[in-house]
Parts: sequence; C-alpha cells; structure tokens
Amino acid sequence: DAMVIQNPRYQVTQFGKPVTLSCSQTLNHNVMYWYQQKSSQAPKLLFHYYDKDFNNEADTPDNFQSRRPNTSFCFLDIRSPGLGDAAMYLCATSRVGGVRTEAFFGQGTRLTVV
Amino acid sequence: AQKITQTQPGMFVQEKEAVTLDCTYDTSDPSYGLFWYKQPSSGEMIFLIYQGSYDQQNATEGRYSLNFQKARKSANLVISASQLGDSAMYFCAMRDSGGTSYGKLTFGQGTILTVHP
Repeated sequence: DAMVIQNPRYQVTQFGKPVTLSCSQTLNHNVMYWYQQKSSQAPKLLFHYYDKDFNNEADTPDNFQSRRPNTSFCFLDIRSPGLGDAAMYLCATSRVGGVRTEAFFGQGTRLTVV
Repeated sequence: AQKITQTQPGMFVQEKEAVTLDCTYDTSDPSYGLFWYKQPSSGEMIFLIYQGSYDQQNATEGRYSLNFQKARKSANLVISASQLGDSAMYFCAMRDSGGTSYGKLTFGQGTILTVHP
C-alpha cells in the first residue's frame, strides 16, 4: 500500500496560472519535505515542515509556498509558474530520529508549464 | 556544507554481471548517514541501502552492498547479478545531524544504469 501519495501524477498548467500540488501520508511522520527535480538533475530541497514549523531553504524562490493543514497533508503552491518551474516535484516524509532515519518518497508529480 | 559527488553520468552492464556505482562525499560533521536510492522512469525514489558513519561493517541488502571507505570519503554501491529491472537512475544521498534531531537529504547528481540482456 502506498504510504506517501502525491496528486496528481501529471499536471499541466499555463504560464502564470497558480497551481497546487498535494501530498498525503499514512505514516504519521512529523517531517514532510518538498523537493524539485529538473530533468536529469539531483532533487533539490525547497522546504520542509517539522510538525507545523515551516523551514524554507535560503534559495527557494518566493514563487513557491507551502501549507500543512494537518499531519497527513502538505501542499505545494506555485503562485505564478514560469517555464523554468517545469520539473518533477517529490514529496517525502520522515520521522524524527537522527541521521539513520529513512525518508519515504511519493511517486512525484510531473509539472509541465505551457 | 555537505556535498555529494557522483562522477559517472551513465553506466552500462551486462545482465547477471556486477556493477559498481561511485559516490564520494564531503562533510565536517562526524555523524552522518549515507543512502542510496533507485529512481525508475516512473519517478518514485526507492530506498536501497543505508550506511552510518559509525557503522563498523559495510552494509548489505540482498543484491546490494556498500563499499564504505571512510578515510577516502567514498560510499560506492555494488549491485551483484544485475537484472534488466535494475535499469534506472541511482542517487547517492547524505544526511548529517545538522544540529537537529532530523536532517534533510543532500543528493548527488545521479548515475543512469542501463542493463543489457
């Protein structure tokens, strides 16, 4: 059974039109992460939540926002998508437990901007 | 700052043979964990194997083993008896303590593995 679920799997949006990607988890993990992965590149962390505590990476553009209304759900909002925001967006979760803690990933949402 | 380097953009291997995927890392934190993930074309990151900085033995998980050389800061993944289903992108990643009780993952650039029949 899938433990980290991302919807939709594929999203096409228009240039400048706000879009929201969603992630849900059944693991009851405290920490949820959003990564951006452009074609043939390493995933890059955008931000993460520790419970309701939001942590933004220093180089994450202001165009990217996130919400976590409860433990199970986390959303990625892109306010005005540009062509350069086309990428795979990966959601991951982990418990609090030190360096050994495994991160569990969803299947990703592939975003296309037209 | 953490850094992960994977120097092999692509690797080819014959089915049933072994292959080694290279990973070197850099961190000033004495406590860290090294992870390998497989990413098929479908996109999901699949956890393969973990090695902790204080682990005395090299990690093994089925056909996967990790050649951990701490002094050289390398953590190479060895896949034995390659299968066609092993064709995918492979990422090396690191987590250090980062001053918190959890930490983000830093990924290398990845290696695309192609298994030939």
